[in-house]
Amino acid sequence: QVHIVQSGAEVKKPGASVRVSCMTSGYTFISYSIHWVRQAPGQRPEWMGWINVANRQTKYSQRLEGRVTINTDTSARTVNMELRSLRSEDTAVYYCARDKGLYGGYALDYWGQGTLVTVSS
Amino acid sequence: DIQMTQSPSIMSASMGDRVTITCRASQSVSSWLAWYQQKPGKAPNLLIYDGSRLEDGVPSRFSGSGSATEFTLTISSVQPDDVATYFCQQYSDSSPFTFGQGTRLEIK
Repeated sequence: QVHIVQSGAEVKKPGASVRVSCMTSGYTFISYSIHWVRQAPGQRPEWMGWINVANRQTKYSQRLEGRVTINTDTSARTVNMELRSLRSEDTAVYYCARDKGLYGGYALDYWGQGTLVTVSS
Repeated sequence: DIQMTQSPSIMSASMGDRVTITCRASQSVSSWLAWYQQKPGKAPNLLIYDGSRLEDGVPSRFSGSGSATEFTLTISSVQPDDVATYFCQQYSDSSPFTFGQGTRLEIK
């Protein structure tokens, strides 16, 4: 059974960085890409980027390029997302989600529970 | 970026009603479209992918149709458990994937 569990809520000051972890189980880890999606209160989800876990290739939203990094620890079956130079508008719930396809770039079939990141001075 | 627009933004239905939600893309996404259901405080849950394929475990009262720029999600007989916000998402243009603004479904 597929399970995805994320790290806990974070409170950060403007200009700081945050790292959110996504721990997976129940499937062949390297066979599926992982995406990161965030959702500000009352807003539509916003796609941030994804990583092909097998070859570690990444693709990021142009809006966030330069501030976001996604990497993976294969031995721990974990994908991490780091967002730097935080601003108040980065306050959101951050989700990781598994790509349904074997080659990436597909619908998202299993999601973590979400991690609230609050940016406030 | 491909823009996704849903209508309506809010809808109210009675139990047993048939409801339809529309999603329009600013350019063709072929059939690369998914529908998700999101309940308050929870992550989105995949209902439909490739425009019309029902995800495993999703009740058969949910169905999807459409292609290119116009898609619909239909609930054939609304149940109380269907109260949620529904989002469409395109994955044709892989950077970035984009979501519609959501349709909130309420029960009368």
